[in-house]
Amino acid sequence: KAGVTQTPRYLIKTRGQQVTLSCSPISGHRSVSWYQQTPGQGLQFLFEYFSETQRNKGNFPGRFSGRQFSNSRSEMNVSTLELGDSALYLCASSRDTVNTEAFFGQGTRLTVV
Amino acid sequence: DQQVKQNSPSLSVQEGRISILNCDYTNSMFDYFLWYKKYPAEGPTFLISISSIKDKNEDGRFTVFLNKSAKHLSLHIVPSQPGDSAVYFCAASSFSNDYKLSFGAGTTVTVRA
Repeated sequence: KAGVTQTPRYLIKTRGQQVTLSCSPISGHRSVSWYQQTPGQGLQFLFEYFSETQRNKGNFPGRFSGRQFSNSRSEMNVSTLELGDSALYLCASSRDTVNTEAFFGQGTRLTVV
Repeated sequence: DQQVKQNSPSLSVQEGRISILNCDYTNSMFDYFLWYKKYPAEGPTFLISISSIKDKNEDGRFTVFLNKSAKHLSLHIVPSQPGDSAVYFCAASSFSNDYKLSFGAGTTVTVRA
C-alpha cells in the first residue's frame, strides 16, 4: 500500500509570494492533517480535513488555508509568504474520525527568501 | 500554549544501555498518548501508544509508561541500538477534541557505539 505522498519535496519562494503544497493520503484514509515543523517548536498543528470539510484548526493566521478534494487529496496554501514561514510542512493521513494513529508523508521543505 | 512538553532537547546514550525519554503534558483531558520517531528527511513514523486507562504498554524494546496524576509519560528503549538515533516526538490527544494531535518539541537521541 502506497504511503502518504507530499509534493513538492523542496520549494524556495520569495517573500510576498504564495505557495500551494499537495498531499495524497493513503488509499482509504479520509482524514488529512497538516503540521508545521520548525527547529525547537516540534510539530504545530495547522488544520485537519475530513470528507472535504475542515474539522479542526490550529492557531495560525488566515494566510494559511487548505482544502480537501473528493478523492481525499488535500492542498495547503500559504499567501503573502513571510521569512518565518520557512519550515518543514508535514501532512498526515488517518483512516477515519479517530486520529489515534496518523501516517506522515516525508514533508515539503519550504524556504522563504 | 505548548500543552505537551519535552524538556530535554537531546539525549546521548551508549549502545546497549537504556534510553529514557520524558514528556509532560498540561491538559488533563488528554486520554491518548503516542510516540513518533523521525529520521532526517523523512516524516515521523508511529512508534508506540498508550491509552489513559493503562499505565504501561510494551512493544519489543520499547515501553511507554504513563503517570496520569503527574501528567507525565516516558519512553524506555532497551537496549538502545545505533538505528535508534533519531528525533522522538511525544504526542497527546483527546476524544473531546476529535483526537487532534498535540506534539512536543522533540528529543534528539544519539546512540553511541
